[in-house]
Amino acid sequence: DGGITQSPKYLFRKEGQNVTLSCEQNLNHDAMYWYRQDPGQGLRLIYYSQIVNDFQKGDIAEGYSVSREKKESFPLTVTSAQKNPTAFYLCASRQPGYNQPQHFGDGTRLSIL
Amino acid sequence: DAKTTQPNSMESNEEEPVHLPCNHSTISGTDYIHWYRQLPSQGPEYVIHGLTSNVNNRMASLAIAEDRKSSTLILHRATLRDAAVYYCIPEGGYQKVTFGTGTKLQVIP
Repeated sequence: DGGITQSPKYLFRKEGQNVTLSCEQNLNHDAMYWYRQDPGQGLRLIYYSQIVNDFQKGDIAEGYSVSREKKESFPLTVTSAQKNPTAFYLCASRQPGYNQPQHFGDGTRLSIL
Repeated sequence: DAKTTQPNSMESNEEEPVHLPCNHSTISGTDYIHWYRQLPSQGPEYVIHGLTSNVNNRMASLAIAEDRKSSTLILHRATLRDAAVYYCIPEGGYQKVTFGTGTKLQVIP
């Protein structure tokens, strides 16, 4: 079945470390997105990519970095510059077109040790 | 991005209909209105979308106001599995979208 796979489901990080969250899709979607969700809050956009080798900052990009070397993959790195990285991270993808919904993965929960 | 307003929470009795409202007065002419729902510790799930006409699918119905400044998601018979946070999102094309805090639906047995 087609879908979006995020790994790992749970991730622990020591302060000062960079960590990379994986997002892979086999839906052949052009656009991919990373969101952050804090407890009881909505989703906030970190980065998005409309096409391979291109990406744009969202509303809260500071302390994060991404790459889009392949259509299927959009990894997110949480750097040590992100002072409060503990959150639930969600990846999504979509096809082009005004009526196309986003498809989401099951998320990665990142915690600081 | 179009701004949306949704009630923070709503309650419904099991097997009763539920009407979840959303105001999106700044929606652009080409934005579709998408609804998603999110269960605890899961990613959002697509529910339904529409542009101008009312829409039905196996999960829900979507009623869109004639001026498109508001819409209502209708769950015809709420079940316990429908307890979730529901997001109303005007979106179109590749533009970035904004998820607000949505409406938390509680279904009472």
